[in-house]
Amino acid sequence: GQNIDQPTEMTATEGAIVQINCTYQTSGFNGLFWYQQHAGEAPTFLSYNVLDGLEEKGRFSSFLSRSKGYSYLLLKELQMKDSASYLCAPGGYNKLIFGAGTRLAVHP
Amino acid sequence: DAGVTQSPTHLIKTRGQQVTLRCSPKSGHDTVSWYQQALGQGPQFIFQYYEEEERQRGNFPDRFSGHQFPNYSSELNVNALLLGDSALYLCASSWGQGGTEAFFGQGTRLTVV
Repeated sequence: GQNIDQPTEMTATEGAIVQINCTYQTSGFNGLFWYQQHAGEAPTFLSYNVLDGLEEKGRFSSFLSRSKGYSYLLLKELQMKDSASYLCAPGGYNKLIFGAGTRLAVHP
Repeated sequence: DAGVTQSPTHLIKTRGQQVTLRCSPKSGHDTVSWYQQALGQGPQFIFQYYEEEERQRGNFPDRFSGHQFPNYSSELNVNALLLGDSALYLCASSWGQGGTEAFFGQGTRLTVV
C-alpha cells in the first residue's frame, strides 16, 4: 500500500525557521516532490529530490533519505505569505501520490 | 505562455447527471494527469494520459473516464454523479511520463446537489 504522513497543522513566527517532516511508504518510488498550495489556489512546485541529501533553493530547502522513507521541507526567514498548505508527494513513474498536507500559519 | 488552463472554473450539477471538464496543458508538455481534491485533503490521483492513452489509473470507479486529443489537451468525464464527487478537480501537465515537475491548473470546483 501507500502511506504518507505529515503533521496536520503547524504555526510559526515571521522571520523564524520551520521544518515540515514527511514520512512515506510507496511503491515505484522515483523521487519526492514538495508543493505549496494557498487556500483556493492550485498547488505550485517547490522542490524535487531524487538523490539522498539536501537541496537548497533560496529560502526553501528539502531533504530526502530514501532508505528511511523520510523527507523534510525547511523554510527560512518566514514571511506572512508563506502561510499555506505544504504537500509532500512521493513520485512514481506515472503519478504523484499526495499526503493530506501540512497547514502552516505564520504569525507576526 | 498561458500555463495550464482548465474550464469551467465552477460548475453545479445534480446527482445522477454527467459532467465534462477540460484541460489545456502548458506549452511544450505532452502528459496530462487529473486529480480530485476534497476539502482539507491532498489531491488524489485519478489517471494520466500520454500519447492519447490512459497510462495509469488511481483508485477511482469506471464512472470516471477521460480522453486526450492530438493537441495534448484532455477531458475528464464523470457519469452518474454522486454527492461525494463534489470536489476541486485539478489538471496537471508535464513533459514525459515521470520524474519531471508537474504544473497544475487552477482547477474546476464541482458541486453536486
